[in-house]
Amino acid sequence: KAGVTQTPRYLIKTRGQQVTLSCSPISGHRSVSWYQQTPGQGLQFLFEYFSETQRNKGNFPGRFSGRQFSNSRSEMNVSTLELGDSALYLCASSTTGINEKLFFGSGTQLSVL
Amino acid sequence: DAKTTQPPSMDCAEGRAANLPCNHSTISGNEYVYWYRQIHSQGPQYIIHGLKNNETNEMASLIITEDRKSSTLILPHATLRDTAVYYCIVRGSSYKLIFGSGTRLLVRP
Repeated sequence: KAGVTQTPRYLIKTRGQQVTLSCSPISGHRSVSWYQQTPGQGLQFLFEYFSETQRNKGNFPGRFSGRQFSNSRSEMNVSTLELGDSALYLCASSTTGINEKLFFGSGTQLSVL
Repeated sequence: DAKTTQPPSMDCAEGRAANLPCNHSTISGNEYVYWYRQIHSQGPQYIIHGLKNNETNEMASLIITEDRKSSTLILPHATLRDTAVYYCIVRGSSYKLIFGSGTRLLVRP
């Protein structure tokens, strides 16, 4: 079974631009969640989707958004990029998202210049 | 979800058992203890989880105290590839994981 796939692996953008990151969950998994990891703040929850509906959202500004498609694939978008958005963005999937283990992808390393 | 406390770093010799402690004194009855680890620049990897009974799988053992206020993750025969940051997470009926700072484990040759 293929694992969680995130694309692209690395991305370089400049301030003010926007970016879209993609996540393909493990086949059969309907819950997809996103996390941001920075050296200063550690791993922080962004949002979680199940069957195309956002069920939970972390404490991030509205510039961070996401969506999930009918095939469970998910995208997250960051608009008007700031230097502080430089981070490793991780996607995780699970069957239901509740009280079960999450499978993480390798992440997308975003650098904002 | 309850907060957890872990030592910032530990080390052990290759081939020996690594015992990683975690304090979760405010855990409530329906919250599980999860352990993940993260090897540099990779996504976190699930290790094990439990509610109140001790658990064992091919990677590790989880020992939870009777009052559930603390737990210990045991890697029975640590290898150099076990060098990583280990996160202890308490999770209830929540869709998210709240990661703390974790324990940086260094396995020495």
